[in-house]
Amino acid sequence: AAGVIQSPRHLIKEKRETATLKCYPIPRHDTVYWYQQGPGQDPQFLISFYEKMQSDKGSIPDRFSAQQFSDYHSELNMSSLELGDSALYFCASSLTPASSTDTQYFGPGTRLTVL
Amino acid sequence: AQKVTQAQTEISVVEKEDVTLDCVYETRDTTYYLFWYKQPPSGELVFLIRRNSFDEQNEISGRYSWNFQKSTSSFNFTITASQVVDSAVYFCALSEALLSGSARQLTFGSGTQLTVLP
Repeated sequence: AAGVIQSPRHLIKEKRETATLKCYPIPRHDTVYWYQQGPGQDPQFLISFYEKMQSDKGSIPDRFSAQQFSDYHSELNMSSLELGDSALYFCASSLTPASSTDTQYFGPGTRLTVL
Repeated sequence: AQKVTQAQTEISVVEKEDVTLDCVYETRDTTYYLFWYKQPPSGELVFLIRRNSFDEQNEISGRYSWNFQKSTSSFNFTITASQVVDSAVYFCALSEALLSGSARQLTFGSGTQLTVLP
């Protein structure tokens, strides 16, 4: 079965640079979530989109922005990168929230290293 | 506010032993959803099970079983006859009831590192 696709899988950036992470949800899934997992930490919710509209916002820094496009893929844009942004970034997707089968399926993650 | 507590930071067992991972949650909602995810050393998060708050039936799937008790706000996970391949970090997670038009976010526990020794 098709899974969530994230690209790139690994990314190395310098401080103050920008980064763009991409997420392609499971086909027919219309909801996308972004999570950040620091070393040895649990995943922390950043932001979510439903039908191309921002749905919920968590602990996402102002330096980060995201959007969901007409084909339901999503991009997380990160600017003025800091050392503390080094983490594993997960994208998850699910069916329409009201569905009883709403379960978040996670992609493999993008490992971002800021030097 | 919702909270998930996994008090066991690390557990080590010998292959073929049974092991139970504890999860205690807090929420003010009467309708909520509980999940377990597995994170092997390769890093991905693998969905294992979802349980709705109105369904207290326990579940068994092969060597895995889950015990949901609303009275104690617990959702424990047992692996019987553990195998080396079960070694991973296991996360318990909670999402609250959906508001119209909102997507659910997951609140994770801090995870339990399970090591199964040969």
